[in-house]
Amino acid sequence: EDQVTQSPEALRLQEGESSSLNCSYTVSGLRGLFWYRQDPGKGPEFLFTLYSAGEEKEKERLKATLTKKESFLHITAPKPEDSATYLCAVQGNSGGGADGLTFGKGTHLIIQP
Amino acid sequence: GAGVSQSPSNKVTEKGKDVELRCDPISGHTALYWYRQSLGQGLEFLIYFQGNSAPDKSGLPSDRFSAERTGGSVSTLTIQRTQQEDSAVYLCASSPQGGPYEQYFGPGTRLTVT
Repeated sequence: EDQVTQSPEALRLQEGESSSLNCSYTVSGLRGLFWYRQDPGKGPEFLFTLYSAGEEKEKERLKATLTKKESFLHITAPKPEDSATYLCAVQGNSGGGADGLTFGKGTHLIIQP
Repeated sequence: GAGVSQSPSNKVTEKGKDVELRCDPISGHTALYWYRQSLGQGLEFLIYFQGNSAPDKSGLPSDRFSAERTGGSVSTLTIQRTQQEDSAVYLCASSPQGGPYEQYFGPGTRLTVT
């Protein structure tokens, strides 16, 4: 069974204070690891897909990295508008046409001005 | 272009009643997914459609839950004889194709069973 654990559960930073969010996973054959952002009352918003260890992707102040056991979402010089819950998900080779994602419980990030 | 839309946005129902939740995926997306997000829980996969067929129903929590998709587009999730534990946000997502590709989510339907 695929599993995703995110840490910390919550993180409060000052504006401009860089940090990293962790996503540890166990999966039978990783097909893809996904990062999403979710604002209160809204559906998750896609950020990145990573496919293999060593891969990195960047978007504005966010950078996602992947190893064989975990992924990090690095936030550089965050702004208050980066406040949200960040979700990590994996898709593995569970067979039977299983394309559903397995999500972690998320990291609730608050950036204070 | 238009994103994934869901209706209703909120639904309050009495225990034991049936409910139908609707999802309109992004035009041209062949893959469609339903998830459930409960307070304090992560998103939980329910069912996946490729076209009109559902190769993976493994996530449906009980036989009270069913889903269909017609014309390779709109999907309906039906919950029969609702229970209080069914209260959650039901999210729909679509993707250009099945497989390890980004899924685009709708705003969700908040279901409250009283």
